[in-house]
Amino acid sequence: EAGVAQSPRYKIIEKRQSVAFWCNPISGHATLYWYQQILGQGPKLLIQFQNNGVVDDSQLPKDRFSAERLKGVDSTLKIQPAKLEDSAVYLCASSLEWDSVYNSPLHFGNGTRLTVT
Amino acid sequence: AQSVTQPDIHITVSEGASLELRCNYSYGATPYLFWYVQSPGQGLQLLLKYFSGDTLVQGIKGFEAEFKRSQSSFNLRKPSVHWSDAAEYFCAVAPGKAAGNKLTFGGGTRVLVKP
Repeated sequence: EAGVAQSPRYKIIEKRQSVAFWCNPISGHATLYWYQQILGQGPKLLIQFQNNGVVDDSQLPKDRFSAERLKGVDSTLKIQPAKLEDSAVYLCASSLEWDSVYNSPLHFGNGTRLTVT
Repeated sequence: AQSVTQPDIHITVSEGASLELRCNYSYGATPYLFWYVQSPGQGLQLLLKYFSGDTLVQGIKGFEAEFKRSQSSFNLRKPSVHWSDAAEYFCAVAPGKAAGNKLTFGGGTRVLVKP
């Protein structure tokens, strides 16, 4: 099966600019996640979608980050305006179901590396 | 809230030697436990998982992990390391079905393999 697709792979922007990342999950996967991975740290969940609805966005900095999954398939994560501390790898993951990470493991994309200068 | 600690930031091992990566978790009950591997420029790949039953679980790529409730640990091991095992390894915990799929990751251990 095709994996989780993310684009772009790399992005360099200046602070206060805006940026958007795109994710296409594995076909049939209802749940989609965006994680932020700062250099030297483990991934941190930003937002979780079940189909086109938000399940958890408690750690999403809503003053500058937004995400949508309008048709319940692919998703876009946006940062506006970007800060230096947003430099990180943004990972998208998908799973078949939302209610059991044990039975429905996460499949990760290769990520988008964002550098804010 | 659950948390995960990986005490070793870097580990260097010789090819063919054994490897053990430490993971300690904090959670009120027995959580779901996972080990993931991340090669440079790649996403995370699931190595193995544990919830109940036999405390020694086998995973892919020849890895195994042992759950020790008394020590709140879930250490990852491999008897003989290959150069291709050089990567970053993450331990993760999820609280269980009631809380959905919220994974909390440790800070990771980077493994370097010497020829």
